Amino acid sequence: GAVVSQHPSWVICKSGTSVKIECRSLDFQATTMFWYRQFPKQSLMLMATSNEGSKATYEQGVEKDKFLINHASLTLSTLTVTSAHPEDSSFYICSAGDGQGAGDTQYFGPGTRLTVL
Amino acid sequence: GNSVTQMEGPVTLSEEAFLTINCTYTATGYPSLFWYVQYPGEGLQLLLKATKADDKGSNKGFEATYRKETTSFHLEKGSVQVSDSAVYFCALTGGSYIPTFGRGTSLIVHP
Repeated sequence: GAVVSQHPSWVICKSGTSVKIECRSLDFQATTMFWYRQFPKQSLMLMATSNEGSKATYEQGVEKDKFLINHASLTLSTLTVTSAHPEDSSFYICSAGDGQGAGDTQYFGPGTRLTVL
Repeated sequence: GNSVTQMEGPVTLSEEAFLTINCTYTATGYPSLFWYVQYPGEGLQLLLKATKADDKGSNKGFEATYRKETTSFHLEKGSVQVSDSAVYFCALTGGSYIPTFGRGTSLIVHP
């Protein structure tokens, strides 16, 4: 099946610094990727839709200037948490569709645990 | 818009018990339906899927049947194992390309 990787798998940073998380589709091309945030014992919260070659579409309540998304190629999307604060600590997950259109199967990365001190 | 409703958890079972996790949905058109599983500290993995009415998805002993008349996609397993302990997410895609997820149901299996 399709494989999606994320890097890093975990990161600890100081408050005020920026952190970049990469999401790659390893064996398929993805024009659209999704970024989610997950709090402990809670469901996925869709943050934004990342579109190759165009601006990301952010969900209501997500600060686009804080969570910068760049989808530079058909296999790579990045999420940069700028000026991170402790409340940004969370588990961030990306997914990519298999290109079937409206009936896409989503393949997920293994997630990135961000801890902001 | 689309929505997915899952039963509240946690679901706690003894090993070899029968499992049912209910999932119902609201969607326009003919969505594709999915079950994903998330083990502690990991991302989501596709467990099974069904793309049209009356299809049955199955994998690792888990099954779910796409029931259009009841708009349901309940997950079942005849005999659970401790290693099945995880969070299970029901999801759909269709109409909109943005996937819709349920809130997740935690399954805890005791030896």
